[in-house]
Amino acid sequence: GESVGLHLPTLSVQEGDNSIINCAYSNSASDYFIWYKQESGKGPQFIIDIRSNMDKRQGQRVTVLLNKTVKHLSLQIAATQPGDSAVYFCAENALGGGYNKLIFGAGTRLAVHP
Amino acid sequence: KAGVTQTPRYLIKTRGQQVTLSCSPISGHRSVSWYQQTPGQGLQFLFEYFSETQRNKGNFPGRFSGRQFSNSRSEMNVSTLELGDSALYLCASSPGVFSSDTQYFGPGTRLTVL
Repeated sequence: GESVGLHLPTLSVQEGDNSIINCAYSNSASDYFIWYKQESGKGPQFIIDIRSNMDKRQGQRVTVLLNKTVKHLSLQIAATQPGDSAVYFCAENALGGGYNKLIFGAGTRLAVHP
Repeated sequence: KAGVTQTPRYLIKTRGQQVTLSCSPISGHRSVSWYQQTPGQGLQFLFEYFSETQRNKGNFPGRFSGRQFSNSRSEMNVSTLELGDSALYLCASSPGVFSSDTQYFGPGTRLTVL
C-alpha cells in the first residue's frame, strides 16, 4: 500500500494494552481539535474531536485529553487491538483561521503486536 | 449514506502536463476541502469551497486551482506538473456551516509525476 510517512515516530504496544498518542499544537487560537486514523491505502478516518472549552472527551474505547496551558493533546486507546494499527494524526482548526482549514500534525504510527 | 468519493484513484502524468481530480462529497454536504499528503510535508491544506465559492486557501502556488459545482462536487486542477507534485490528494467534505463541523475524507487520488 502507499506509504503515509516513511519516518514517523512509532508507538509499539501489545494487544490488549492501553495506548497513548501525544500531540503538541502550536496555535493558541485553535478552538477545535480532531484525531484521525489513517490506514495504508485509505484516507484519514475521523476518530474523535474536542472543542477548546473542554479538557476531556470520551468515545468508544478512545479518550481525548486537551491541555491548553501547554498546548498538548493526547489520544488514549483502551484495550488496543490489531485493527488499531495505523497512523494517527491530530489536527487543529484555528479560530479566525477560516472554515475547514485543518492544520495536521506529523502523525504517529501505532503498531499493535499480538 | 455514501461516503466521499474521489476519481481517479491513481494517475500517472509527466512533467509539464496538467491534471484534473474530482471529488464528490457526502450527500447534503456543501463544503469540500482539498489536502496534499506527502511523506516529507505531511498533510497540507490546499483550499476549501463552499456553495461554489472558494472560502479559504492554503500556501500553494497558483498552478493549483479548484472549483465547485452547484451539486457540491468539486474538482482541483494542477497545471504544469512538477516532480514535487507527486502526492496523495485528499478531499474532505463537511456541512460547512460551523468551523467545528467534522470533515470526512475520501480515499484520495495518488498522483505520480514522472
